[in-house]
Amino acid sequence: KAGVTQTPRYLIKTRGQQVTLSCSPISGHRSVSWYQQTPGQGLQFLFEYFSETQRNKGNFPGRFSGRQFSNSRSEMNVSTLELGDSALYLCASSSPGGGYTFGSGTRLTVV
Amino acid sequence: QKEVEQNSGPLSVPEGAIASLNCTYSDRGSQSFFWYRQYSGKSPELIMFIYSNGDKEDGRFTAQLNKASQYVSLLIRDSQPSDSATYLCAVKKDTDKLIFGTGTRLQVFP
Repeated sequence: KAGVTQTPRYLIKTRGQQVTLSCSPISGHRSVSWYQQTPGQGLQFLFEYFSETQRNKGNFPGRFSGRQFSNSRSEMNVSTLELGDSALYLCASSSPGGGYTFGSGTRLTVV
Repeated sequence: QKEVEQNSGPLSVPEGAIASLNCTYSDRGSQSFFWYRQYSGKSPELIMFIYSNGDKEDGRFTAQLNKASQYVSLLIRDSQPSDSATYLCAVKKDTDKLIFGTGTRLQVFP
């Protein structure tokens, strides 16, 4: 059974640019959530999608957005990148009553 | 007060010993509790999760939950150097969101 797939693995972007990250959940999992991990703040919740609907959103500015497609794949977008957006972005998929499995993450560096 | 608190460590234990990792949480409405292991430069790997008071065992790992004391722990028996990593505790409330502690770094020395 394939795990959670995140692409790309690494990204380098310039301040002011925008970026789109992709996440394919485990087959059959309809819930996808996104987290940002930084050395200073740890793992912080960004948002969660279930059946194409955003069910929850963390305390991040509106520059951070996401969506989920009918096949449960999800994308998150960050516009007008800032240096502080440099982080490891993690996607997790889950099934009801189950654990949350993380993908390998996308390491974003903003220069 | 942080919602999920863990001692940052490092917790150093000799090979073969029991490592005990602790986590406290502030919200009594928390319903499920997760332990993750994260190696440096890697993503978190789910070890186990627990919903009910008491113990849950999986191989060398045992999770212990005490909702009255708002406390969850992870015991690692027969610790190995390969267990050296950061262990993250996460708590979930009714909404489908995990709240993570900052993690405890475990070092197992030969």
